[in-house]
Amino acid sequence: AIQMTQSPSSLSASVGDRVTITCRASQGIRDDLGWYQQKPGKAPKLLIYASSSLQSGVPSRFSGSRSGTDFTLTISSLQPEDFATYYCLQDYNYPYTFGQGTKLEIK
Amino acid sequence: QVQLQESGPGLVKPSGTLSLTCAVSGGSISSSNWWSWVRQPPGKGLEWIGEIYHGGSTNYNPSLTSRVTISVDKSKNQFSLELSSVTAADTAIYYCARKVLPAGMGEIWFDPWGQGTLVTVSS
Repeated sequence: AIQMTQSPSSLSASVGDRVTITCRASQGIRDDLGWYQQKPGKAPKLLIYASSSLQSGVPSRFSGSRSGTDFTLTISSLQPEDFATYYCLQDYNYPYTFGQGTKLEIK
Repeated sequence: QVQLQESGPGLVKPSGTLSLTCAVSGGSISSSNWWSWVRQPPGKGLEWIGEIYHGGSTNYNPSLTSRVTISVDKSKNQFSLELSSVTAADTAIYYCARKVLPAGMGEIWFDPWGQGTLVTVSS
């Protein structure tokens, strides 16, 4: 199975900060990666698919990029509602695998 | 818009079988999508369990293949998960989700998700 190594596991930041979260795939997965946001007690919510495509309705402060097997989720200016846990998910091949998650907390 | 709702027992005995159903509303389960199950142990990360297409084709996580069965009931517009020989390690929130693959675009995403249902394995 493809391993997705996500970093950092936790992150403290302030409203207005620019934040980046990274996932590294254990092998090439083209652009077959999505980013999901999960708030406590809620289901994951799709933010980004195909590495860099923004899901409809998701604020433009969220963006995704890829460099080789490294994928980055960037939040350009943190808002209070962005404090949550973020997961990457590779959908290149089976079994689909998630990163370990990044918990974004208020500083 | 499509909505998903999980249902099933919240408590299962060790060595028993976990059975959950995901009801699909606002759309047809016979559309060109796959229907998936994902689980999350309390306080931990997400694990993809498997998926089914309305025609009955399935894909499972090899870590669970020997114990998992996903089925579809088109007449009820729902799909189901069965996980046998459960242990405490199977205690988790179980989510159903739709996997979307727009034709000819090579992209995949999971949306929407059900709200999730907690299943506890305990005697």
